[in-house]
Amino acid sequence: NAGVTQTPKFRVLKTGQSMTLLCAQDMNHEYMYWYRQDPGMGLRLIHYSVGEGTTAKGEVPDGYNVSRLKKQNFLLGLESAAPSQTSVYFCASSRLQETQYFGPGTRLLVL
Amino acid sequence: KNEVEQSPQNLTAQEGEFITINCSYSVGISALHWLQQHPGGGIVSLFMLSSGKKKHGRLIATINIQEKHSSLHITASHPRDSAVYICAVPQTYGGATNKLIFGTGTLLAVQP
Repeated sequence: NAGVTQTPKFRVLKTGQSMTLLCAQDMNHEYMYWYRQDPGMGLRLIHYSVGEGTTAKGEVPDGYNVSRLKKQNFLLGLESAAPSQTSVYFCASSRLQETQYFGPGTRLLVL
Repeated sequence: KNEVEQSPQNLTAQEGEFITINCSYSVGISALHWLQQHPGGGIVSLFMLSSGKKKHGRLIATINIQEKHSSLHITASHPRDSAVYICAVPQTYGGATNKLIFGTGTLLAVQP
């Protein structure tokens, strides 16, 4: 089992460019999450999904969109990147009220 | 909505020392999570506990639900224990979505 994987691992964008981060899990988990991690702050939830075809906003959703077309994949999109979106992005998956399994992270730099 | 506070923010210890990291939260919870983030960035779940104590190797996690407090202990610490330790609790009690609120973490450095 690969667990939770994320692509890409690192990306540099110019302000205004768009990109999609891909998260994949092979544990048949219903729940998937996108977090961002910034210096001096705890992980913050961007969007989450409780099942295929469903998504919901987290704590800091502005500037991001998500899709969960397949149970195993959860995509995070940035339509028009801004320097404030420079961060490390983590995907996670879980079953209800169980341990969350995290991906390795994606470092994004927006210039 | 829950809030989480961890202490200390930074901790330096000598190899072999007993280490304690604390976590306090503000709203009743069903379970609390301890996670470990190594310098390379990967995040691993260590414990999920709702009462009492759990032990895994040299790591022990305890929780006092009434006092809204949890501790993570490391016995016979080793340089490989150097990492950021993060506490997380559900955003709301009994939430059906697993939404967690994370502490800012405790940066532990164990010196040989």
